[in-house]
Amino acid sequence: QKEVEQNSGPLSVPEGAIASLNCTYSDRGSQSFFWYRQYSGKSPELIMSIYSNGDKEDGRFTAQLNKASQYVSLLIRDSQPSDSATYLCAVMAGRRALTFGSGTRLQVQP
Amino acid sequence: DGGITQSPKYLFRKEGQNVTLSCEQNLNHDAMYWYRQDPGQGLRLIYYSQIVNDFQKGDIAEGYSVSREKKESFPLTVTSAQKNPTAFYLCASSIDGGSTDTQYFGPGTRLTVL
Repeated sequence: QKEVEQNSGPLSVPEGAIASLNCTYSDRGSQSFFWYRQYSGKSPELIMSIYSNGDKEDGRFTAQLNKASQYVSLLIRDSQPSDSATYLCAVMAGRRALTFGSGTRLQVQP
Repeated sequence: DGGITQSPKYLFRKEGQNVTLSCEQNLNHDAMYWYRQDPGQGLRLIYYSQIVNDFQKGDIAEGYSVSREKKESFPLTVTSAQKNPTAFYLCASSIDGGSTDTQYFGPGTRLTVL
């Protein structure tokens, strides 16, 4: 079982819709959770971080964490074609380095 | 202008050669990391360092070596022992490597074996 799992996609949504990206993790001791966006050929850039159960909102982005279910999600409201990218879920557990999922490719159709 | 720089952007290696990838940061971060990304995959940890003159192996350290002689610099050497080194290499840094610390990435080096 992979430590951090994401659906590889592609997830296709129309412009203006809500995109929902999901991630599950296996280590119950995980403490910090991050979403990165990666455009093709580029390095990852941080979108959101979340550390406690519940929702965290930043502009059009909302991260949701449920530690009991070992589940973290990212919602993108009013999706734009510029949001088309691969979204990487990353988790920090005991060691001081991130474990990444393989990413979900999002396509926003104009 | 603060940030993380990696050089070169593209690197070509012949079979049997060692090559060194550069990573420099001027963010005054204590912790630095090296990841490898293969096509369609997530990032896998090669090495990380939380303080000068100390570093730890990640999940795929075999065939790689690092040094951390200065806070600002964390070079990665890909040795001839690494059998499949063609990949996108990403360096990252964070303030102190703590459990809630955020990692920021450099632009990456794309290594191709000829």
